Amino acid sequence: NAGVTQTPKFRVLKTGQSMTLLCAQDMNHEYMYWYRQDPGMGLRLIHYSVGEGTTAKGEVPDGYNVSRLKKQNFLLGLESAAPSQTSVYFCASLRSIQETQYFGPGTRLLVL
Amino acid sequence: EDKVVQSPLSLVVHEGDTVTLNCSYEVTNFRSLLWYKQEKKAPTFLFMLTSSGIEKKSGRLSSILDKKELFSILNITATQTGDSAIYLCAVGVNAGKSTFGDGTTLTVKP
Repeated sequence: NAGVTQTPKFRVLKTGQSMTLLCAQDMNHEYMYWYRQDPGMGLRLIHYSVGEGTTAKGEVPDGYNVSRLKKQNFLLGLESAAPSQTSVYFCASLRSIQETQYFGPGTRLLVL
Repeated sequence: EDKVVQSPLSLVVHEGDTVTLNCSYEVTNFRSLLWYKQEKKAPTFLFMLTSSGIEKKSGRLSSILDKKELFSILNITATQTGDSAIYLCAVGVNAGKSTFGDGTTLTVKP
């Protein structure tokens, strides 16, 4: 099992460009999450999904969109990147709410 | 608004010292309290606590939860340089979501 994987590992964008971050899990987990982590801060929830075809907003959803068309994939989109979106993005998945989240390795995004 | 506060924000100790990290919380729909260790990559899971007063232990690390006073502590005894990391506290709420504190940065000097 690869666990939770994230693509790409690192990306540089110019302000206004768009991109999609891919999170994939091979553990058949129902729940998936996207977090961002800024320097000196903990993780903040952007969006999450409780099952295939569902998405919901987290704590800091503005400027991001998500889709969960397949159970194993959770995509995070930036339609028009801004410097404030420079961050490290972590994806996580969860089998049931009685268990703990499995984190991906992270994607480092720099918006110039 | 759910809130998790960790203290201290940073801590410098010498090898062999014992440290106590604090986490207090105010959340609706509390399900669990979690501790993670983060070393320049994804957080790695340490403990999940759901019941008050029951200590969880793993080697030199231990943690306990007080659901009445809404806090948890993480103890590390006989610290080593490999314990240097950011320690994150999170509270699990509904739908499996977690609300994180800002972390405590621990530096252990030889």
